[in-house]
Amino acid sequence: SQTIHQWPATLVQPVGSPLSLECTVEGTSNPNLYWYRQAAGRGLQLLFYSVGIGQISSEVPQNLSASRPQDRQFILSSKKLLLSDSGFYLCAWSLHRVGSPLHFGNGTRLTVT
Amino acid sequence: DQQVKQNSPSLSVQEGRISILNCDYTNSMFDYFLWYKKYPAEGPTFLISISSIKDKNEDGRFTVFLNKSAKHLSLHIVPSQPGDSAVYFCAAGGETNFGNEKLTFGTGTRLTIIP
Repeated sequence: SQTIHQWPATLVQPVGSPLSLECTVEGTSNPNLYWYRQAAGRGLQLLFYSVGIGQISSEVPQNLSASRPQDRQFILSSKKLLLSDSGFYLCAWSLHRVGSPLHFGNGTRLTVT
Repeated sequence: DQQVKQNSPSLSVQEGRISILNCDYTNSMFDYFLWYKKYPAEGPTFLISISSIKDKNEDGRFTVFLNKSAKHLSLHIVPSQPGDSAVYFCAAGGETNFGNEKLTFGTGTRLTIIP
């Protein structure tokens, strides 16, 4: 069966510091991979998605970047965090098939102070 | 522009009764829809989906109804149980250039089941 791991679970970082969140998927190959953010009181906003190694699409202009160095590894990064980067970050995977549901990790609660 | 809308931020239902969660969308290109359930500090869990070629899909206590002409879908939970208390997200998607399933999510409805 497929599993998705996301870490860390919580993170407190000062403004201006770098960020690296990692996500790995097991039990499937060549998945679509996603980073979503849920800000307080808001829905899920798609940040990045990837259909293959080295292929990253950005949905919104922002202070963040994503990379996919391996087939089942997805990394969310920032060189300098802003207060507005605080939120709940979720990694997800899906199959390459229309209608395939997304399967989410347990998320990372990021607080920028 | 919010293409998927959940206009009720919260809903309270007695245990054993029916819970009905609603969702509206504006993009007629959406051709499949999903419901997710989310507990605090966890990722959303997929519940049930429906293709635009259907108007109903049922899975145990969960039924999703789709009204394409009204661009409206609903999730029915019968009977409601205390463990159903969570935030429910509606999501919509359609085939993209890469066959990539990019979902647009609503803002969620917090369901509270009253014992």
